[in-house]
Amino acid sequence: GNSVTQMEGPVTLSEEAFLTINCTYTATGYPSLFWYVQYPGEGLQLLLKATKADDKGSNKGFEATYRKETTSFHLEKGSVQVSDSAVYFCALSDRAGGSYIPTFGRGTSLIVHP
Amino acid sequence: DGGITQSPKYLFRKEGQNVTLSCEQNLNHDAMYWYRQDPGQGLRLIYYSQIVNDFQKGDIAEGYSVSREKKESFPLTVTSAQKNPTAFYLCASSLALAGTTETQYFGPGTRLLVL
Repeated sequence: GNSVTQMEGPVTLSEEAFLTINCTYTATGYPSLFWYVQYPGEGLQLLLKATKADDKGSNKGFEATYRKETTSFHLEKGSVQVSDSAVYFCALSDRAGGSYIPTFGRGTSLIVHP
Repeated sequence: DGGITQSPKYLFRKEGQNVTLSCEQNLNHDAMYWYRQDPGQGLRLIYYSQIVNDFQKGDIAEGYSVSREKKESFPLTVTSAQKNPTAFYLCASSLALAGTTETQYFGPGTRLLVL
């Protein structure tokens, strides 16, 4: 079956530090990949996505590249801000099989200190 | 503004009681979903619906029930058979279920607590 593995959190950084959150996946088909962000007490919202190999998704200074050879979709940001403190979820959706159901990782909490 | 609304924000359940969580969307989306979120466990799919009058069980459907009588509404009932209902419940929708590129749009969530 499909699965998504994210690095354990929390990730604690100082403001302006470089961020990487690792995400690897297992899929039976050829999935699309997503990063969602959840701010405290809220629902999830899409941060970025990539639908085919070597695509780079980007938004608000965050980037992730779809690497089929390593089955990875790591999230990066060059300079984090306190306002980036949130929980980040990696997810995939897979065309194979009778229906398309998203699969989520467990989430990685990011804490950014001033 | 288009979006998904969930109510109430907090819900308290007594032993043996059924409670219903509301989810409404005005995005004209066909597909809707219910997830349960527990600390450190990510999101687990309870039920999903591709179209009006149709819904399917997800990974943890036991103790829950849903209906989809209208396109914009997908209420979730937590029954007394669900022995550990304390969690954060998230409703989501997407334009269609069939496309793998579809983005999901989430509501703000309902936190259910047992008295």
